[in-house]
Amino acid sequence: NAGVTQTPKFRILKIGQSMTLQCTQDMNHNYMYWYRQDPGMGLKLIYYSVGAGITDKGEVPNGYNVSRSTTEDFPLRLELAAPSQTSVYFCASMVANTEAFFGQGTRLTVV
Amino acid sequence: TQLLEQSPQFLSIQEGENLTVYCNSSSVFSSLQWYRQEPGEGPVLLVTVVTGGEVKKLKRLTFQFGDARKDSSLHITAAQTGDTGLYLCAGAPGALTFGGGTRLMVKP
Repeated sequence: NAGVTQTPKFRILKIGQSMTLQCTQDMNHNYMYWYRQDPGMGLKLIYYSVGAGITDKGEVPNGYNVSRSTTEDFPLRLELAAPSQTSVYFCASMVANTEAFFGQGTRLTVV
Repeated sequence: TQLLEQSPQFLSIQEGENLTVYCNSSSVFSSLQWYRQEPGEGPVLLVTVVTGGEVKKLKRLTFQFGDARKDSSLHITAAQTGDTGLYLCAGAPGALTFGGGTRLMVKP
């Protein structure tokens, strides 16, 4: 079983560039989440979705956008990348109030 | 400010010692979860506590949910080097939100 798949695993961006972090899950989970994790810290919620066509902001949404056109996919878009967005990004999916399953993460560096 | 506050942030102990990690909030949660994260990996669920006052045991790990469902604790008995990692609590009065984590280092 693939579970939650994130691509790419690593990326270096120049300041002002844009990119999309991909996240796909094959477990038919309705809830999906995007988090960022800075070195030595916990996870901060960027955006989440409770189902296809529904998205909502988390704790740190500025500089990011998401869409949820299908149950499986929840891409995260970075517009005008800034050094403050250097972080590890995790996508997760779950059925409500049960275990969250995480992808392997995307390590992003903005220079 | 984080909805869930974890303490301590860092803990370095010798193998065989006991330790307790705390997760506190001013909000009431329908459930709280504890995850463990290894370097380079995503978090992995250890346990979910649902009922106020509930105690769950997972080998040498004991998890407790506060009576008011606002706090939780994780106690490790006779820590081993394999317990080293980042421990995270998470709750969902809405979206799944994580605490700042406790980084545990167990030295041989």
